[in-house]
Amino acid sequence: GENVEQHPSTLSVQEGDSAVIKCTYSDSASNYFPWYKQELGKGPQLIIDIRSNVGEKKDQRIAVTLNKTAKHFSLHITETQPEDSAVYFCAASKGFGNEKLTFGTGTRLTIIP
Amino acid sequence: DGGITQSPKYLFRKEGQNVTLSCEQNLNHDAMYWYRQDPGQGLRLIYYSQIVNDFQKGDIAEGYSVSREKKESFPLTVTSAQKNPTAFYLCASRLQGSTEAFFGQGTRLTVV
Repeated sequence: GENVEQHPSTLSVQEGDSAVIKCTYSDSASNYFPWYKQELGKGPQLIIDIRSNVGEKKDQRIAVTLNKTAKHFSLHITETQPEDSAVYFCAASKGFGNEKLTFGTGTRLTIIP
Repeated sequence: DGGITQSPKYLFRKEGQNVTLSCEQNLNHDAMYWYRQDPGQGLRLIYYSQIVNDFQKGDIAEGYSVSREKKESFPLTVTSAQKNPTAFYLCASRLQGSTEAFFGQGTRLTVV
C-alpha cells in the first residue's frame, strides 16, 4: 500500500520568514495530494491540494509543488505569521475522490514572534 | 449551521469496557470515515463508509466496530479487544465526487 513520509517533524521559524515542509510517497499511482492544518484541540482542515496533472499551485501565502518523477511534494508558507503555528499533515490518494487518504506523520510548525 | 459533530470531546473508560464515540454530520455527505491519531504517527484509517448500510475496514480495524444505519451518523465502538485504545479519534465526511474531507473536532479517549 501507499506510504507517505513527512519531514521535518518539528519546525521553528522566525515570524516573516518562510517555512517548507516536505513529503514523499511510494505509490506512483497516487494522483491527489492535499495538505491539512490542525490547530490545537481541533480537527484537521484542508488548506491546499494539488493533483498530479499540475506541478505547482498557489493560494496567497501558501504554495504546494509536486515532482511526480521523484514522488515528492512540498508545502511552502511565505511571510509566516503567528497564526500559522499548527500541525501540518500531507496526504496522498489514488483517484480523485478515492476513499482512502494516506497521511504523513505531521509537522509541528512554530512561528517565533 | 452545517458541519460534522463529534461527541463527547473527552471520554474516560475503564479497561475492558466497550465505548461508543458519536459522529453526526448535516452536510448531506455520502462518505464518512474514522481515523485514529497518535503522537508521531499521523492519522490512521480505522473504518470508512461510502453509503448507508455499507462500510469497509481501514488499516487498523481490529478491536473496533462501526454501523451506518443513517446517512448522517457513523458511530464507532471501541471494544475491549482493542489493545491500546487511548488515543485521539477523528471523524470525517466527504461528498461523493468531491476530494475534500471535512473533519470533526475529535474525541480524546482515555482508558484507565
